[in-house]
Amino acid sequence: KAGVTQTPRYLIKTRGQQVTLSCSPISGHRSVSWYQQTPGQGLQFLFEYFSETQRNKGNFPGRFSGRQFSNSRSEMNVSTLELGDSALYLCASSSDRGKITGELFFGEGSRLTVL
Amino acid sequence: DQQVKQNSPSLSVQEGRISILNCDYTNSMFDYFLWYKKYPAEGPTFLISISSIKDKNEDGRFTVFLNKSAKHLSLHIVPSQPGDSAVYFCAARGSTGGFKTIFGAGTRLFVKA
Repeated sequence: KAGVTQTPRYLIKTRGQQVTLSCSPISGHRSVSWYQQTPGQGLQFLFEYFSETQRNKGNFPGRFSGRQFSNSRSEMNVSTLELGDSALYLCASSSDRGKITGELFFGEGSRLTVL
Repeated sequence: DQQVKQNSPSLSVQEGRISILNCDYTNSMFDYFLWYKKYPAEGPTFLISISSIKDKNEDGRFTVFLNKSAKHLSLHIVPSQPGDSAVYFCAARGSTGGFKTIFGAGTRLFVKA
């Protein structure tokens, strides 16, 4: 069974630009979550989607948005990039049971550097 | 708001000894508590979990203890091995306000050979 796939793995942008990150969950998983990891801050919850609906959202500004498609693939978008947006963005998928228990399967992440 | 806290940024342990990683939480509505392990350049991987109705769960060398009255959980690794060197994240999951898994800041474990 293929794992969670995130693209691109690395990218460099400049302030003011926008970026779109993509995530393909494990086959059969309908729940997708996004997290931002920065040094010393752990994993900060961005949002969670289930069957194309956003179920929950973290405390991030409106510049951060996401969506989920009918095939459960998900994208997140960050507009008007700031230096502080430089981070590792992690996507995780979960089974319907994992949606209850919190067992997440993570991709390797997309490392974004904003110059 | 830091609902899940890992107050020790790092821990160093000798191979063969016990590693104890600690985690505190503030929200008594969490239903599940989990530990994830992360190696550099990889995503976190699920290690072990415990339901809020239990106080202990064991899986091989890994045991998680939950003390609900103290809002505290710990992960014990016995015996510790050099391959256990990684960052360990404590996490909590609840359904109140919508399903959301909250992570702590992580503890970096060094197991010395």
